[in-house]
Amino acid sequence: DARVTQTPRHKVTEMGQEVTMRCQPILGHNTVFWYRQTMMQGLELLAYFRNRAPLDDSGMPKDRFSAEMPDATLATLKIQPSEPRDSAVYFCASGLSHWTSSGNTIYFGEGSWLTVV
Amino acid sequence: DQQVKQNSPSLSVQEGRISILNCDYTNSMFDYFLWYKKYPAEGPTFLISISSIKDKNEDGRFTVFLNKSAKHLSLHIVPSQPGDSAVYFCAAKTNTGNQFYFGTGTSLTVIP
Repeated sequence: DARVTQTPRHKVTEMGQEVTMRCQPILGHNTVFWYRQTMMQGLELLAYFRNRAPLDDSGMPKDRFSAEMPDATLATLKIQPSEPRDSAVYFCASGLSHWTSSGNTIYFGEGSWLTVV
Repeated sequence: DQQVKQNSPSLSVQEGRISILNCDYTNSMFDYFLWYKKYPAEGPTFLISISSIKDKNEDGRFTVFLNKSAKHLSLHIVPSQPGDSAVYFCAAKTNTGNQFYFGTGTSLTVIP
C-alpha cells in the first residue's frame, strides 16, 4: 500500500528551537510538495520539487524556512528558529509529473502537527 | 492572492439529500481541477477530478461540474451520508505547471 510517510506526526517545541520535518514520498513519484494548513489560507504551498530540484519556494519565509531533497526518498522542511506563528499542520504530498495535466494527482501524507510555545 | 476560492466555509445537509460544494477560480490557464476530502487528523485524499475539456465527471455518488465561462466548479454528492462529513478542498493546476492551487476548504456536515 503505497503512501507518503511523514515524521514526526506531532511536535511541541519552544520558540527559537530548530524543527525538522521529514517526508518519504511514494516510490517512483518525481514531484514533492510541502503545504501548510492554516484556517485563513487553507492549504498554502510552501515549496515543491521535481526530480529533486526545487522549482518554487516562494511561499516560504526565506529567513527561517528551508526545504531540501537529499535523495529521491527523502524530503525535509526545516524551521530555524521556530516561532509561535509557525504552529500549524505541515503536509507533504507527492505525485508523478505528466506532460499533460489530465491524470495528475498528488497524494498527501498524514501531516506533521507542529506547536511552537 | 487566492486563485482558487471556496466562499462557503461550512455546509450542513440532511442525510439522503444532495450536498453541493462550490469553487471559483480566477486563472483562465487552469485546465485540470480536483476535489480532495479531508478527515480530522488525516491528510487530504483525492476524491474526483475533471479536465477542462469536459463539463461533467461522475464517480458513484460524486459528480463534478465545470463551467469554464463562469470559472466555476461544483461537487455534488447524492445521496449524502454521515461518513461524507469532512472538509472538502478544491484544487486546480495549469497544463504547463506542476503546482496545485488549493482553496480554503468547505466543512461539510451530514446530519443523520
